[in-house]
Amino acid sequence: GAVVSQHPSWVICKSGTSVKIECRSLDFQATTMFWYRQFPKQSLMLMATSNEGSKATYEQGVEKDKFLINHASLTLSTLTVTSAHPEDSSFYICSARVGPSYNEQFFGPGTRLTVL
Amino acid sequence: DQQVKQNSPSLSVQEGRISILNCDYTNSMFDYFLWYKKYPAEGPTFLISISSIKDKNEDGRFTVFLNKSAKHLSLHIVPSQPGDSAVYFCAASARSNTGKLIFGQGTTLQVKP
Repeated sequence: GAVVSQHPSWVICKSGTSVKIECRSLDFQATTMFWYRQFPKQSLMLMATSNEGSKATYEQGVEKDKFLINHASLTLSTLTVTSAHPEDSSFYICSARVGPSYNEQFFGPGTRLTVL
Repeated sequence: DQQVKQNSPSLSVQEGRISILNCDYTNSMFDYFLWYKKYPAEGPTFLISISSIKDKNEDGRFTVFLNKSAKHLSLHIVPSQPGDSAVYFCAASARSNTGKLIFGQGTTLQVKP
């Protein structure tokens, strides 16, 4: 299947700093990318939908000014957690969709963010 | 409001036996359902899916059953293998909602040799 990478795989930062997470589709062009967050032993919660060249669509309750999403090309989307706080510590996963079919959505390996 | 629920957080079965993972949903607009397998510190990988126009889909050892009237789906793995040990998520989607996936909480399956 298609490969989606995320960088970094884990990051530790101080409270108040900003962290950027990259999501890349390595061997295909993704029309749409999604960002999820997973707290321990909980479900993957969709944060936002990112379409190349347009503004991201955020889910209810997700602060768009805190979680900045940029989808500048068909192979790269970035999530920036601004002014991170300990409650932002989580596992962030992106996925990339290559077409309208639901099983053509491929997930990245995730990024573990720990905010001290 | 949890629209997709996996009420069993864990399941343990013996190798060679059948594993049955269950999932319930509340939104009648969901028209596509998927199962994903996930290992720790990795992203989910797609296993099998089913459209709401079907009640069964089979792929090798994996079969998904959909009961629309009960808003219930299940994943059957037979025979179960130790390599199947992972967290399994069911997810649902509605075309009317741009197709975004709503995930259940996950069920940790342990297959004992």
